[in-house]
Amino acid sequence: NAGVTQTPKFQVLKTGQSMTLQCAQDMNHNSMYWYRQDPGMGLRLIYYSASEGTTDKGEVPNGYNVSRLNKREFSLRLESAAPSQTSVYFCASTPLGTDTGELFFGEGSRLTVL
Amino acid sequence: AQSVTQPDIHITVSEGASLELRCNYSYGATPYLFWYVQSPGQGLQLLLKYFSGDTLVQGIKGFEAEFKRSQSSFNLRKPSVHWSDAAEYFCAVALIQGAQKLVFGQGTRLTINP
Repeated sequence: NAGVTQTPKFQVLKTGQSMTLQCAQDMNHNSMYWYRQDPGMGLRLIYYSASEGTTDKGEVPNGYNVSRLNKREFSLRLESAAPSQTSVYFCASTPLGTDTGELFFGEGSRLTVL
Repeated sequence: AQSVTQPDIHITVSEGASLELRCNYSYGATPYLFWYVQSPGQGLQLLLKYFSGDTLVQGIKGFEAEFKRSQSSFNLRKPSVHWSDAAEYFCAVALIQGAQKLVFGQGTRLTINP
């Protein structure tokens, strides 16, 4: 039972470099999310995809782009990384059409921007 | 704007002692409320949730939470903590706006003294 899988788990970038965080879920969920976690700030929503083919901004979208490649995969791209984007990134998914509201999380991707 | 506040950043309790973690929310409608737990280096796992009905909800690992509308609170409790309960705990409220989005509190880190 893989659930939500994120790659890479760790990454170090220099300011201005680009990279893509990959996320895949095998639970046939419709909705997917990207959050960032910073000390003392909880988790903040970057982007989400309510269903395949749609994406929307969350609370902190600046400096990021996303792609919902298919139902399983939702990637997060940093075009020009900045030190302020040093964080732990979590991908999550949930079934659409239910009112459980439960999000299933990946194990996180720790990104350091120097 | 909807928000969740966890007043305690860090709590230390002795093993076997009782625990209460506080959570206050600001939300116009009847909220969907959650508690998640994050062990070190891991993603988030759902402990329990409240949607409607009985205001005292039971979760996994012996946790329970009580919804008090008059106090806008959803505090998490456990009668007797175990060393394995050391983790970070997040309260969250779900917004249903085309998609289910969780707004998280800042988190409370729980340390257990032997």
